[in-house]
Amino acid sequence: SQTIHQWPATLVQPVGSPLSLECTVEGTSNPNLYWYRQAAGRGLQLLFYSVGIGQISSEVPQNLSASRPQDRQFILSSKKLLLSDSGFYLCAWSVGTSGANEQFFGPGTRLTVL
Amino acid sequence: AQSVTQPDIHITVSEGASLELRCNYSYGATPYLFWYVQSPGQGLQLLLKYFSGDTLVQGIKGFEAEFKRSQSSFNLRKPSVHWSDAAEYFCAVGSTFSGGYNKLIFGAGTRLAVHP
Repeated sequence: SQTIHQWPATLVQPVGSPLSLECTVEGTSNPNLYWYRQAAGRGLQLLFYSVGIGQISSEVPQNLSASRPQDRQFILSSKKLLLSDSGFYLCAWSVGTSGANEQFFGPGTRLTVL
Repeated sequence: AQSVTQPDIHITVSEGASLELRCNYSYGATPYLFWYVQSPGQGLQLLLKYFSGDTLVQGIKGFEAEFKRSQSSFNLRKPSVHWSDAAEYFCAVGSTFSGGYNKLIFGAGTRLAVHP
């Protein structure tokens, strides 16, 4: 069966520090991968998606970047964190191109920038 | 552009009472519709989805949803709520994009509180 892992689960970082959040998927090949951010009391905002190794698309311009060095690994990074980067970060995967295919979500990373 | 509206930000019900969470969508073609649930501090779990056929869809944990094209709605229902149903619920519409991936557009969510 497929599983999705995210780490760390919780992170507290000072403003201006770098960031690296990791997401890995097991049990599937060539998944579509997604990074979402969920700010307090708000819905999910799609940040990045990837359809293959090295292929990253950004939904919104911001202080973050993403990379996909391996088929089932997706990394969210920042060189210098801002206060506004605080939030709950969710990684998700799906397969295929049909809009009928659901996305499967990881447990999330709670990021607090102080 | 596709969009999803969940009109109710917070809903409180008593345990054992019935529940209906509203969802309205804007989409040009036949939509793919989803309901997800998120417990505090957790990821999202799929409750049910609709993509064709019977407009009444059964999901996990005793939930069901009805697709009404004329009203552009996909409301989530449960006949008797349990305390463990307290969570945030997200409605989403799915799309296929030429870039070779599928995308979900989420509503802002409805937070459900259950009184004993």
